[in-house]
Amino acid sequence: EVQLVESGGGLVQPGGSLRLSCAASGFTFSSESMNWVRQAPGKGLEWVSYINSTSSVIKYADSVKGRFTISRDNAKNSLYLQMNSLRAEDTATYYCARWGYSSGGSSWGQGTPVTVSS
Amino acid sequence: DVVMTQSPLSLPVTLGQPASISCRSSQSLVHSDGNTYLNWFQQRPGQSPRRLIYKVSNRDSGVPDRFSGSGSGTDFTLKISRVEADDVGVYYCMQGTHWPRTFGQGTKVEIK
Repeated sequence: EVQLVESGGGLVQPGGSLRLSCAASGFTFSSESMNWVRQAPGKGLEWVSYINSTSSVIKYADSVKGRFTISRDNAKNSLYLQMNSLRAEDTATYYCARWGYSSGGSSWGQGTPVTVSS
Repeated sequence: DVVMTQSPLSLPVTLGQPASISCRSSQSLVHSDGNTYLNWFQQRPGQSPRRLIYKVSNRDSGVPDRFSGSGSGTDFTLKISRVEADDVGVYYCMQGTHWPRTFGQGTKVEIK
């Protein structure tokens, strides 16, 4: 069974930092590109960042560029999102997700909530 | 950025009746490799999103065949042939052709 389990969310003050983790299992993590997507309370989905299987291609939404860093450890089947200089508008549930273009090639974690507030 | 515009944003449907959601992109979603990377996701209340359709019209495994996707270029549609109670939730289109990836605003499907 494919599983993506996020952790690391919580309450942080504006300007602070958090590191999110996503543990993957049930598929060949090292072969797949991964994404972070967030959803502010009561709002829609916003793509945040992408990393390909070898970490050679990395992309960010303009809203997080220069503040967030995506990375992965294929030996540990893990995806990370280092979030610095956090703002109130970063408050959201953060999902790790894959959406390869084959049947059954998409999975999402349960999400981890991040609240940026003083 | 490619803007994805869904309509309607709210869709009350009678059980057993069909439903249709439109998604229009501000640019063509045809990739240089010839594929069109348009996905449809369903998010049931309190749950994580789940993909239903990829590359315009391909159903993911386990997705009921009452869901279908169609379209080309900049104009796409998700159809539910006969709405069931389990279909309540918000539906999002998402383009995977251009950077940054972008989602539509979401269409809330509810039972009348």
